[in-house]
This record gives sequence, C-alpha cells and structure tokens, in this order.
Amino acid sequence: EVRLVESGGGLVKPGGSLRLSCVASGFTFSTHSMNWVRQAPGKGPEWVSSMTSSGSHIYHADSVKGRFTMSRDNAKSSLYLQMNSLRVEDTAVYYCAREPRGNQDLDYWGQGTLVTVSS
Amino acid sequence: QPLLTQPPSVSAAPGQKVTISCSGSSSNIGSRYVSWYQQFPGTVPKLLIYDNDKRPSGIPDRFSASKSGTSATLDITGVQTGDEADYYCETWDGSLEVGVFGGGTKLTVL
Repeated sequence: EVRLVESGGGLVKPGGSLRLSCVASGFTFSTHSMNWVRQAPGKGPEWVSSMTSSGSHIYHADSVKGRFTMSRDNAKSSLYLQMNSLRVEDTAVYYCAREPRGNQDLDYWGQGTLVTVSS
Repeated sequence: QPLLTQPPSVSAAPGQKVTISCSGSSSNIGSRYVSWYQQFPGTVPKLLIYDNDKRPSGIPDRFSASKSGTSATLDITGVQTGDEADYYCETWDGSLEVGVFGGGTKLTVL
C-alpha cells in the first residue's frame, strides 16, 4: 500500500522557518518524481514544487522561489521542503504527492500538514 | 490572470450529464497532459483523470475527459448526489516550468 506521511507543520511567525518532511512507503521512492502542493483555507490546490526521481531537476512556483527549497533522500524514502522567510499568505495545508508518469499527474497524496504563519 | 480557467460552479439534476471546462494556453494544455481531481470538503484531492483521458483503476466510467487545442473538458454522465464536490484541472506549463491548477469548479447536484 502506497503511503505518504507529512510532518513538520505548525505555527510560525512571519519571517520564520519550517522544514516539512514526507516519508514514503509501499513503492520504489527512488524511481518517482515527487511534488509539494499546498491548499490555503477555503481555496483550491496550489502547486508549490516538484523534483525528479534523482533530484537532478527541481522546480518551484514563483510565489515561493528563493524562499522554499525542495530536497529528497532516496535512501530514506523521504522528501523535504525547507521553508524560509515565511509569510502570512503561506498559511496552508501542505501535501506531498507522487507523480508516477512524469506527466504532472499526482496519484497518491499524503494527508497533509498544516502550516500557520501568524504573529 | 490564472493560467487555467474553470467555471466557478456548475449544476445538474441527478441523472443528467455535466461538463466542466478548463481553458489554458499553448504552453500548458496545448502541449502537455491534463489531469483532473475530485475533492470533497475536508478531504485530500483524488486523481480522477490522467494523461488527458485515462481513468485510474476504481474510477467509474461515468467520468470521462478530453482535450482539444488549449482546452480540456471533464464530463460526468448520470450525475449522482455523491458527485457533489470540487473539481480541478491540472497540468504543467512548459514555458514557465511550473505546475498549475485550475481555480476549481463546484458541482452542485440539484
């Protein structure tokens, strides 16, 4: 069974940092591209970042570029999102999602971790 | 200006067919695969359609989709009250090198 479990969310002040983690199981993590997607309260999903299986290509949304960094450790089947200079508008549930075919289709999602940026 | 445009809402009576549109451009829908997701309140988005028109296992064939030029459509035939949810299209924009979701369409079954 494919499982994705995020952690690391919480309450942080504007300008602060958080590191999200996503642990994968039930599939060969090292052969899949992975994505981070966030969803603010009452809003639709917003793509945040994606990374190819080897980590050779990383992409970030303009809204987080220069502040967020995605990384992965294939030996630990883990995905990370380092979030710096957090803003109120970064408040959202953050999901990690598997991309099985490299066509930006996300077939498995974690349950998400809530990040709240507030003073 | 959103990269992918969906109607905010659609409605249909039970048993009818409903179509949800997703309009993009040549750098995204026009040249990339489109996916569709279904999301019920308080739940995680669920992949409904991938590669423009393919259904993952377990998705009923009442759900179908197509793509033409820079637009994509999701059709739901024989709409049921249990289909009331938000539906999102998604693709990749090759020029901007970003993933992109449509703004979502809320389906109401009257």
